[in-house]
Amino acid sequence: GQQLNQSPQSMFIQEGEDVSMNCTSSSIFNTWLWYKQDPGEGPVLLIALYKAGELTSNGRLTAQFGITRKDSFLNISASIPSDVGIYFCAGLRPGTASKLTFGTGTRLQVTL
Amino acid sequence: GAVVSQHPSWVICKSGTSVKIECRSLDFQATTMFWYRQFPKQSLMLMATSNEGSKATYEQGVEKDKFLINHASLTLSTLTVTSAHPEDSSFYICSARGYWTVNTEAFFGQGTRLTVV
Repeated sequence: GQQLNQSPQSMFIQEGEDVSMNCTSSSIFNTWLWYKQDPGEGPVLLIALYKAGELTSNGRLTAQFGITRKDSFLNISASIPSDVGIYFCAGLRPGTASKLTFGTGTRLQVTL
Repeated sequence: GAVVSQHPSWVICKSGTSVKIECRSLDFQATTMFWYRQFPKQSLMLMATSNEGSKATYEQGVEKDKFLINHASLTLSTLTVTSAHPEDSSFYICSARGYWTVNTEAFFGQGTRLTVV
């Protein structure tokens, strides 16, 4: 099935640093979602975006719905050790019966 | 709110046997449930979509006779892996949407790690 292009694939950062990751597609999306998955667990919703250009924050996390509707960005400020995990973007395309398309994931590791 | 629970969290079975995985929405009625499969270090791949009271819709390449899905109520969907083989070993995750989340976000269960020996 189709997947969204997510980058970077992995990141090694120091505690306190800011993190940026993005998701791109050749198709238009109506909704963008960002999830975090810990090892052996299901994804947990972080932020949901519903309109082009929308910028939404959840604590240290900020995500944006790209103007072209073909991309989205997630930023994490002042990273902490518990930010470690895999971050997935997911999108909902028009006419796809509510089925999410997932990104390839960004593995984040935080060092002290 | 919006809690989705999967059971079991992990299961080991012998090759050739069948395994049933349950997905329950604990505090809301799930109009639609989705079943995903995730291999190590890979993303989630949608296997099928199920709506309460109707047959599941399977994604291309997913064998419907091998992965039986039942969505008998608004709070329960089950995935049965029939005649399991080692290549079926994977992490299976369900998600559920309620009336108020139609066309928007989905809430995921904690996943079930299946190992076929």
